[in-house]
Amino acid sequence: KQEVTQIPAALSVPEGENLVLNCSFTDSAIYNLQWFRQDPGKGLTSLLLIQSSQREQTSGRLNASLDKSSGRSTLYIAASQPGDSATYLCAVRGTGGFKTIFGAGTRLFVKA
Amino acid sequence: GAGVSQSPRYKVAKRGQDVALRCDPISGHVSLFWYQQALGQGPEFLTYFQNEAQLDKSGLPSDRFFAERPEGSVSTLKIQRTQQEDSAVYLCASSASRGAATQETQYFGPGTRLLVL
Repeated sequence: KQEVTQIPAALSVPEGENLVLNCSFTDSAIYNLQWFRQDPGKGLTSLLLIQSSQREQTSGRLNASLDKSSGRSTLYIAASQPGDSATYLCAVRGTGGFKTIFGAGTRLFVKA
Repeated sequence: GAGVSQSPRYKVAKRGQDVALRCDPISGHVSLFWYQQALGQGPEFLTYFQNEAQLDKSGLPSDRFFAERPEGSVSTLKIQRTQQEDSAVYLCASSASRGAATQETQYFGPGTRLLVL
């Protein structure tokens, strides 16, 4: 059974700092891994999707990497801003069906 | 429409009542997912539709939960005889791809917050 773990559960950093969020998964048989952002009381916004054959994806100040063999992904946020404050969720889509399994998320607070 | 919409945004139900939650996916999207999100947790998969076919309902927690998408667009999640443990945010997502494709960005609606008293 696929399990997704995110560390840390919460993170508070000063504005301008570079930071790394971690995601690990137990079953390497995945189609893709996706990073989402969720603001309080809102739905999820997709940030980056990495296919199983890819190693990383970049969008603006965000870079996500995928090491399928070790079951790990990281989300790197450069030059953090207060507007980056949100919960960041990692999700994997396994090859054995249609389920997408989410981690519990990392709550990020960027202080001005 | 421009995005995924859900209604109602908030629902308060007395224990034992039936509720129906609606999802309008992005026009033309083939895939539709329902998730349940408890406070402080990530979303948990409930069920998946490809057009009108329900291909995976393995995440539905009990037979009180029922979902349909009769014409392959709008979907309804119905919960019968609601219990307090059903209180959660119910999220709907749609995707242009056909489930098994590797490119599968899911676009989420704002969710329906259900409170069962």
